[in-house]
Amino acid sequence: EIVLTQSPATLSLSPGERATLSCRASQSVSSYLAWYQQKPGQAPRLLIYDASNRATGIPARFSGSGSGTDFTLTISSLEPEDFAVYYCQQRSNWPDTFGQGTRLEIK
Amino acid sequence: EVQLVESGGGLVQPGGSLRLSCAASGFTFSSYEMNWVRQAPGKGLEWVSYISSSGSTIYYADSVKGRFTISRDNAKNSLYLQMNSLRAEDTAVYYCAREGATVAYFDYWGQGTLVTVSS
Repeated sequence: EIVLTQSPATLSLSPGERATLSCRASQSVSSYLAWYQQKPGQAPRLLIYDASNRATGIPARFSGSGSGTDFTLTISSLEPEDFAVYYCQQRSNWPDTFGQGTRLEIK
Repeated sequence: EVQLVESGGGLVQPGGSLRLSCAASGFTFSSYEMNWVRQAPGKGLEWVSYISSSGSTIYYADSVKGRFTISRDNAKNSLYLQMNSLRAEDTAVYYCAREGATVAYFDYWGQGTLVTVSS
């Protein structure tokens, strides 16, 4: 199974700053990678699919990049509602796997 | 508005059984592939099972294979997860999640139902 490793585990930033989250796959997943945001007590929400496409209704400050084994989620200017846990997911090889998450917290 | 509402969670003893349901509304349920994903307390996400729109294709994570059974009733707009031989490590919030028609990822999720396996 493909292992996804997210870094950092925790990222402390202030509103207005730029956030860069990383997801590294143990083998190539091509571009079959998604990013989800999860807030406490809520279900995950799809942000980015196929590595770089924003899902419906997702603000333009969220962007994704990468292919193969290295992927990045960038939030260009943090809003207060962006502080949450972010997960990457690969759908290249069965079974689907998720990264362990990056917690984005307010500094 | 797309809605997925899980039910059926609760406290069960090790070795026991539980059946989860997911009621879908706001979309043509029979046209969509569905999944169950779980999240242990304070932990990350784990995919559990997949079922095709017709129910003809099914997959399971190795951790639940032989113990869990996914099914659907398109006439009732409902997804199910029958969980047998439950273990402490099955304790988690269980989410049903829809795969998008054009986006092969989980575009809608239910609010989750908590399953606690403990004596």
